Amino acid sequence: LAKTTQPISMDSYEGQEVNITCSHNNIATNDYITWYQQFPSQGPRFIIQGYKTKVTNEVASLFIPADRKSSTLSLPRVSLSDTAVYYCLVGHSYMDSNYQLIWGAGTKLIIKP
Amino acid sequence: SQTIHQWPATLVQPVGSPLSLECTVEGTSNPNLYWYRQAAGRGLQLLFYSVGIGQISSEVPQNLSASRPQDRQFILSSKKLLLSDSGFYLCAWSAGTSGKEGETQYFGPGTRLLVL
Repeated sequence: LAKTTQPISMDSYEGQEVNITCSHNNIATNDYITWYQQFPSQGPRFIIQGYKTKVTNEVASLFIPADRKSSTLSLPRVSLSDTAVYYCLVGHSYMDSNYQLIWGAGTKLIIKP
Repeated sequence: SQTIHQWPATLVQPVGSPLSLECTVEGTSNPNLYWYRQAAGRGLQLLFYSVGIGQISSEVPQNLSASRPQDRQFILSSKKLLLSDSGFYLCAWSAGTSGKEGETQYFGPGTRLLVL
């Protein structure tokens, strides 16, 4: 069974680039890798998703090496408002009842001025 | 556009009382629906998953149950609450398709439940 492991917490400063890595050694062929951001007392919000190589959108980049056993969320030029918990999710859902969704425990990112 | 609603936003209930939390989704058809629980300062625990009306998969044994009486309605229930049921309950939906679209979950605002 796949397991996702992330650092419990990280600190950085405004304007820096932050990289959060998630390890998923037993990732299955059909699994996607998705990252979410969660602020206190809110539901998680989708940030970025990928299957392999690199994906970039307006808020982040996701780097996935060829073996797909890890992934790195990259947040460019963070600000104080990026302070949040970041979750890595590995899995896939089927159209029937068979599915596998493995959430990481979350990385608490604190951005300092 | 799609929206997801949960209510109530907060709830304080005595031990042994029943529970009913409701989640509804608008703007999409035949979504996959999920119930999660999040204990204070902890990660997400998937409780139930549904791919269609009346189809519920349970992830963990507990005193909670889920039902999906309509396509875009998901209900979390309990007959007798325990202290350990306290937490932040989140409903989410994803497109009912396989592949990339089906893997992105969209979360509701959550219900904060305190059992005393």
